Amino acid sequence: AQSVAQPEDQVNVAEGNPLTVKCTYSVSGNPYLFWYVQYPNRGLQFLLKYITGDNLVKGSYGFEAEFNKSQTSFHLKKPSALVSDSALYFCAVRAPAGYSSASKIIFGSGTRLSIRP
Amino acid sequence: NAGVTQTPKFRVLKTGQSMTLLCAQDMNHEYMYWYRQDPGMGLRLIHYSVGEGTTAKGEVPDGYNVSRLKKQNFLLGLESAAPSQTSVYFCASSLVNRGSDTQYFGPGTRLTVL
Repeated sequence: AQSVAQPEDQVNVAEGNPLTVKCTYSVSGNPYLFWYVQYPNRGLQFLLKYITGDNLVKGSYGFEAEFNKSQTSFHLKKPSALVSDSALYFCAVRAPAGYSSASKIIFGSGTRLSIRP
Repeated sequence: NAGVTQTPKFRVLKTGQSMTLLCAQDMNHEYMYWYRQDPGMGLRLIHYSVGEGTTAKGEVPDGYNVSRLKKQNFLLGLESAAPSQTSVYFCASSLVNRGSDTQYFGPGTRLTVL
């Protein structure tokens, strides 16, 4: 069965410092991996995704994520945090076509990112 | 282009009452989804639809029904609401259901069942 874990409920970072939000996954085959962001009282917004190819994926708002197959991780990163990055971040995984679970995307429990001025 | 919209935004029900949540998308997407979001549990898929007139069960379908009579609309019904259904409900859509496709989410409906 596919699953995704976000081991930290909350991450606190000072503005201007680099940030990392962790995500590990378990899925058969080569996965599709996603990061979404949720601002207060809003729906989820797509940030970036990994399909295949370069392990470093660049997305919206200066975020990037690194796919590491050996560690089954897809950590979200940003070199210099902004106060406006404060939000709830979700990692998600989907099995590739051909697997019985391919129709479903599984979301992690979310990590609240708080950037202090 | 409004994207994905949901009505209502908030609702309070008493146990046993029924209601319908409406999701509409104007992106001509084939696939639509209903999720519920609970603290510490991420999003869980309730039902989804692969096209007009078709629906399928997700991860947590019990107590809910859905209908997709028109391509642009996906309705979620609660026939007899229970306190366990207190949650925030999100609708999403995607162009197709390839694994790499991005889902687009609505703003959510906050439902409280007393």
